[in-house]
Amino acid sequence: AQSVAQPEDQVNVAEGNPLTVKCTYSVSGNPYLFWYVQYPNRGLQFLLKYITGDNLVKGSYGFEAEFNKSQTSFHLKKPSALVSDSALYFCAVSPRDGSSNTGKLIFGQGTTLQVKP
Amino acid sequence: DTEVTQTPKHLVMGMTNKKSLKCEQHMGHRAMYWYKQKAKKPPELMFVYSYEKLSINESVPSRFSPECPNSSLLNLHLHALQPEDSALYLCASSQDVEPGANVLTFGAGSRLTVL
Repeated sequence: AQSVAQPEDQVNVAEGNPLTVKCTYSVSGNPYLFWYVQYPNRGLQFLLKYITGDNLVKGSYGFEAEFNKSQTSFHLKKPSALVSDSALYFCAVSPRDGSSNTGKLIFGQGTTLQVKP
Repeated sequence: DTEVTQTPKHLVMGMTNKKSLKCEQHMGHRAMYWYKQKAKKPPELMFVYSYEKLSINESVPSRFSPECPNSSLLNLHLHALQPEDSALYLCASSQDVEPGANVLTFGAGSRLTVL
């Protein structure tokens, strides 16, 4: 079955330190990959996506993500965390393998990022 | 205008009530979506409209009835809901549904409580 895994329910980092939020996926072919962020009592906001090309994708608010095809991973990173980055982060995959999920977003379970001052 | 606007922000209804959630976007997007989200969980896709036609229904119970009156508006009609239907209902839009690389723009959601 197609799935997205975010192995950490919560990631805690100190302000100013680098952060990584992990994501791996089990989808055949070459899916589109996304990160969305959700602040409390808000909808999801797009951060970045990988379609093709350079494995390092830069997105909004200083975030970037590294695509690794052999490990089927798409980890989210930021060199220096801010307290305002504290939120719920979702990795999502859109298959393009002709399956019934083609065109849909498969979300991971989400990772809460807590940045402490 | 780069927003998706949802009303109401909060809704409390009894199990015998009929109510509607509304969603509006003026970005010229041709695909619109309804998602249901429980606390601290990922959104679950309910319906997709593409060019004002229902293209995906994820086996949602008939007590939820979507409607797309025009390309800018999306409604979700609610009738005879159950307490377990209490959740945040998110509307989203995208340029179109093909080929899946489109970014979704989400509204802030309507928080529904069913008593």
